[in-house]
Amino acid sequence: DTAVSQTPKYLVTQMGNDKSIKCEQNLGHDTMYWYKQDSKKFLKIMFSYNNKELIINETVPNRFSPKSPDKAHLNLHINSLELGDSAVYFCASSQKAGAEATGELFFGEGSRLTVL
Amino acid sequence: QKEVEQDPGPLSVPEGAIVSLNCTYSNSAFQYFMWYRQYSRKGPELLMYTYSSGNKEDGRFTAQVDKSSKYISLFIRDSQPSDSATYLCAMSDGEGGYQKVTFGTGTKLQVIP
Repeated sequence: DTAVSQTPKYLVTQMGNDKSIKCEQNLGHDTMYWYKQDSKKFLKIMFSYNNKELIINETVPNRFSPKSPDKAHLNLHINSLELGDSAVYFCASSQKAGAEATGELFFGEGSRLTVL
Repeated sequence: QKEVEQDPGPLSVPEGAIVSLNCTYSNSAFQYFMWYRQYSRKGPELLMYTYSSGNKEDGRFTAQVDKSSKYISLFIRDSQPSDSATYLCAMSDGEGGYQKVTFGTGTKLQVIP
């Protein structure tokens, strides 16, 4: 039973298109994240939600819009895709947030986005 | 200068060798230190977690943190081919809540049978 699941696993699309990635966690965690991993394996946080509230919003183009309908789900919508958006996008969750948070993250398997 | 520096490798060792993986960092506020393992085409998984300075051992894995030198290490004893993966160090600061985890770029390890 997958703890953090993302769909789709692979996305190939043309520049200028809009696409969405969905994430669900069944761990009962309060906090969820989107990370971007580039071709050099560098993993960088994009957004974090705690119980549906946006708590971390890094310097990300506003073409990227996260949405959390409930604390078990976090989606990422990307408008007007660009070549530089090609990367692997990872969803993650953690049990704690706030002062108790330690940084222990549980990751999904990633969604590999290729923009042509 | 990046907040977290990690040699990308690749590091190639024979089976049974002791592997040493290292990271340096610049942010003295980091308090929580982690090592994640990432197999090809998979998500990172937490391997070791340490709070503040000191050592932690789990089976063949030992994590060390030296906050005075801003240096963390992961040692793998009796390395196995199944240890072949990319190892990412990670750290967070515990300031103001809502931890933001900063990752190193990862070291790719290959253990040759």
